[in-house]
Amino acid sequence: AQSVTQLDSQVPVFEEAPVELRCNYSSSVSVYLFWYVQYPNQGLQLLLKYLSGSTLVKGINGFEAEFNKSQTSFHLRKPSVHISDTAEYFCAVRGMTTDSWGKLQFGAGTQVVVTP
Amino acid sequence: GAVVSQHPSRVICKSGTSVKIECRSLDFQATTMFWYRQFPKQSLMLMATSNEGSKATYEQGVEKDKFLINHASLTLSTLTVTSAHPEDSSFYICSAPTSGARSYNEQFFGPGTRLTVL
Repeated sequence: AQSVTQLDSQVPVFEEAPVELRCNYSSSVSVYLFWYVQYPNQGLQLLLKYLSGSTLVKGINGFEAEFNKSQTSFHLRKPSVHISDTAEYFCAVRGMTTDSWGKLQFGAGTQVVVTP
Repeated sequence: GAVVSQHPSRVICKSGTSVKIECRSLDFQATTMFWYRQFPKQSLMLMATSNEGSKATYEQGVEKDKFLINHASLTLSTLTVTSAHPEDSSFYICSAPTSGARSYNEQFFGPGTRLTVL
């Protein structure tokens, strides 16, 4: 089984400032890692994913995340945010085993509020 | 990317009635779909896995007789909330992976259905 902890429930940030959203996970098996964004009353959109290889992954809208196996973390960053980045962000994991196939375990979410 | 639609986007019903929510993969076939539930300002919780041609598998604590799932075709799964009560009010989201193979595959999410039970 896997679990995901997002350490910040809400992150206020000024426009054009950098932002980091923290995510830690625990799992007894190797995992795939994801970050999703959810705008109000909408479904989820994939920002980026880590499957294997380079630990620094780049996603859409200028976001990037770094996988740190020793710290079991997958923090999300953006060097300069826009008002339109105001949304809920979810970190998610999925085990690589067949019994975990397709089943995403989500963190509680981090609400990012960007102000001018 | 692939598109998953849900219908309706919003539904209000009276307590005791049943509500059907549809999830469709518009440009790909999905032998498996997933149903999630999201309470206000909370995370998504997996409810069940919908399997085309076979019974759905439910997560622990989810009442299968209350949340009926039917995967009628390779592009359609339906979730029926039977005898709905106010505590069933929630945001229901479906997702579908783009490949039937049991390996990594991209999942795409529907826009969600907001259910309000009065």
